[in-house]
Amino acid sequence: DVKVTQSSRYLVKRTGEKVFLECVQDMDHENMFWYRQDPGLGLRLIYFSYDVKMKEKGDIPEGYSVSREKKERFSLILESASTNQTSMYLCASSSDRDQPQHFGDGTRLSIL
Amino acid sequence: QKEVEQDPGPLSVPEGAIVSLNCTYSNSAFQYFMWYRQYSRKGPELLMYTYSSGNKEDGRFTAQVDKSSKYISLFIRDSQPSDSATYLCAMIMTTDSWGKLQFGAGTQVVVTP
Repeated sequence: DVKVTQSSRYLVKRTGEKVFLECVQDMDHENMFWYRQDPGLGLRLIYFSYDVKMKEKGDIPEGYSVSREKKERFSLILESASTNQTSMYLCASSSDRDQPQHFGDGTRLSIL
Repeated sequence: QKEVEQDPGPLSVPEGAIVSLNCTYSNSAFQYFMWYRQYSRKGPELLMYTYSSGNKEDGRFTAQVDKSSKYISLFIRDSQPSDSATYLCAMIMTTDSWGKLQFGAGTQVVVTP
């Protein structure tokens, strides 16, 4: 079974802090994705990566950056956290462009 | 208008009933279809993946795709209280270079004992 592991289930940070969310997958998948999920807005794609050191913007990249230094690891960075970034963050991976994505259990991030 | 439409519910059914969920889409470039189950405060879990018109069965779950009508369905037989969750449809366009998912809004299902 594919396993996507997100480093923290719950995280509380203060406004202005730099926040790192980590994601690791164990299936040698090429593609990795970061989403945020908010009530009434569904899942929205922030950034994705199709190879090491490669990244593409999703639908809502403002205020975020990403890093993929190793194939199995994809990090989401909130450069200067703001309260409107309080959300559930989900990481996913897939083996190819026509294959389903597999999700981690999410990080519930609160920015105070 | 959204590219993928899904009734958010909630859909309440008694234990043992058949749960029927569906999504419609507007773009015929969608060719790969998935159903995910999401429990509260957890990530989406892949239930079914299909790319052909017709039915695909896995245990109590049946996924149905009708590409001519741009309509997909998920049926859950002999529903259990543990099936109470939000069910998300998702699809990928053949024209998408990266396999980005387009999600429906998710339907909340409640199975009452």
